Amino acid sequence: GAGVSQSPRYKVAKRGQDVALRCDPISGHVSLFWYQQALGQGPEFLTYFQNEAQLDKSGLPSDRFFAERPEGSVSTLKIQRTQQEDSAVYLCASSLAGEGSPLHFGNGTRLTVT
Amino acid sequence: TQLLEQSPQFLSIQEGENLTVYCNSSSVFSSLQWYRQEPGEGPVLLVTVVTGGEVKKLKRLTFQFGDARKDSSLHITAAQPGDTGLYLCAGFTGGFKTIFGAGTRLFVKA
Repeated sequence: GAGVSQSPRYKVAKRGQDVALRCDPISGHVSLFWYQQALGQGPEFLTYFQNEAQLDKSGLPSDRFFAERPEGSVSTLKIQRTQQEDSAVYLCASSLAGEGSPLHFGNGTRLTVT
Repeated sequence: TQLLEQSPQFLSIQEGENLTVYCNSSSVFSSLQWYRQEPGEGPVLLVTVVTGGEVKKLKRLTFQFGDARKDSSLHITAAQPGDTGLYLCAGFTGGFKTIFGAGTRLFVKA
């Protein structure tokens, strides 16, 4: 596609529910990143994929967060047993190559945990 | 934890004024990028600076990378309402992470 596509745009979950957020990167982009953006803050790094390999997951806040990119294209970020502190915008970005390449962001999924 | 400190956090100015926003760190970056983000959208890249002391111009925007590659500034000349948004600096330290500052929220009044 023309840009990075994320779905859903908005997600409301009750505390304790599991959620799955989808990212369709730009075709041909090798690198894929997930970021978490709290209200009034900059994006915080969560995890990075190069093709299907998850090379860095140091930013995932807890073992309730899990990300995958099984075929090196579409990626899913899953959050189990959601908590109120998980409420944020989750941004996906892709780039042609890893090191310092410009990131192309989707418009994010706004997750609200009630 | 934000390794990049941006200032000011918020800036409200009149159309036609000039402004400068800053991005500082104690870390050295191999490259630094500036993004602009509008409400409900993802950040969009404005520029990448790589060389210490480098200056890049993009119409009314001037970006400078510090000599030691630890800091950067963005200067906007004759700001317009269309410049309103969240300005984010992002640093690449090597490895796979691009780290973002908390941003400067700019509001330009007509």
